[in-house]
Amino acid sequence: YVLTQPPSVSVAPGKTARITCGGNNIGYKSVYWYQQKPGQAPVLVIYYDNDRPSGIPERFSGSNSGNMATLTITRVEAGDEADYFCQVWDSSGDHVVFGGGTKLTVL
Amino acid sequence: QVQLVESGGGVVQPGRSLRLSCAASGFTFSNYGMHWVRQAPGKGLEWVAVVSYDGANKYFEDSVKGRFTISRDNSKNTLYLQMDSLRAEDTAVYYCAKDLTVRGVTVPDYWGQGTLVIVSS
Repeated sequence: YVLTQPPSVSVAPGKTARITCGGNNIGYKSVYWYQQKPGQAPVLVIYYDNDRPSGIPERFSGSNSGNMATLTITRVEAGDEADYFCQVWDSSGDHVVFGGGTKLTVL
Repeated sequence: QVQLVESGGGVVQPGRSLRLSCAASGFTFSNYGMHWVRQAPGKGLEWVAVVSYDGANKYFEDSVKGRFTISRDNSKNTLYLQMDSLRAEDTAVYYCAKDLTVRGVTVPDYWGQGTLVIVSS
């Protein structure tokens, strides 16, 4: 199972960033999103498509339908600049699949 | 709070073995599956393996099947990754991570800071 993400997304501060994750019928799977800043371990920011762990700002949200899942970050801040990875559990192969990652640049 | 501390990384020659450990605290270790995920320098995340909360079920990424073994000691709150027949392409930071669900095998949520493995002659 393959997850496809754009290599990079750029957004101005205060604007909305949308990072996509494409996969065959991904809408039937639960999608998870991680944020990774340079030199740090990944942090889960969205689980079960659109739930936020405690401590994650409401500015982070997710959606998932058809062949595309999307991570949306509203009112983007400089501190949101990071790599973002989508992920699913592929039950057909009993393994975790990651997307290739998207580098979010805040202009 | 959840703490995961990896150890055992280092420089190893191709074809040799290495064992990584991950000491867990801050949660009931025996209730959660545990993952290993790696990241080659400058690259994305690659899932390696998962073991269920009781050690009964184990799943591996295809490229490490037959070479890597995942295990756990619930009495010591410790996760292991035995890596044999190492290759240059196994060079990466290896993270251990706790599973999201109680007594389930799904995806990682909390991650350690990682330990670097370099396979080189």
